[in-house]
Amino acid sequence: DGGITQSPKYLFRKEGQNVTLSCEQNLNHDAMYWYRQDPGQGLRLIYYSQIVNDFQKGDIAEGYSVSREKKESFPLTVTSAQKNPTAFYLCASNHWKTPYEQYFGPGTRLTVT
Amino acid sequence: AQSVTQLDSQVPVFEEAPVELRCNYSSSVSVYLFWYVQYPNQGLQLLLKYLSGSTLVESINGFEAEFNKSQTSFHLRKPSVHISDTAEYFCAVSDKRDTGGFKTIFGAGTRLFVKA
Repeated sequence: DGGITQSPKYLFRKEGQNVTLSCEQNLNHDAMYWYRQDPGQGLRLIYYSQIVNDFQKGDIAEGYSVSREKKESFPLTVTSAQKNPTAFYLCASNHWKTPYEQYFGPGTRLTVT
Repeated sequence: AQSVTQLDSQVPVFEEAPVELRCNYSSSVSVYLFWYVQYPNQGLQLLLKYLSGSTLVESINGFEAEFNKSQTSFHLRKPSVHISDTAEYFCAVSDKRDTGGFKTIFGAGTRLFVKA
């Protein structure tokens, strides 16, 4: 079955530690996205990548970093510089033929204490 | 800049009653409109979309939404809800970026709670 996988489902870290969230897709999609979801705020775009080895900052990129070395993978690192990292993180992707329509992974809930 | 407003943060409704979840967006030349549904601790699933053509679009589980260009709205309706419809619903708008590709803006979400 084609889809987007995110791992782990739940992640716990101590303040001051960097943490990397995984996102893999086997849909042969070109573009991939990372969103952050907080209660009552909808989804906010962190980073996106339209092709391999290229990515762009979204609306709230500070304290985050990404890489896109393979078409299938778009990992997100939450650095210690992110002031309020506890949130639900969603990865999405789309095909170049339908660039306006995104497919979502199941999400990773990150808790930093 | 594009914006999406979901007018109700929570909508409680009794089972088998009708429901409307409201969504307004800021004007643009042409946009694509979406409703997504999210169950607790899961990702978003596409419920229905308007790309062009008929202004009334339907989903397989009884939801429908109507694109109203003059009112810049895309309200979601269901004539009779089930307990299983309890979830959070997000309205989203995609339009073209100046730098290429599309940007999607999401509303803050409406939590639908269906009571027995």
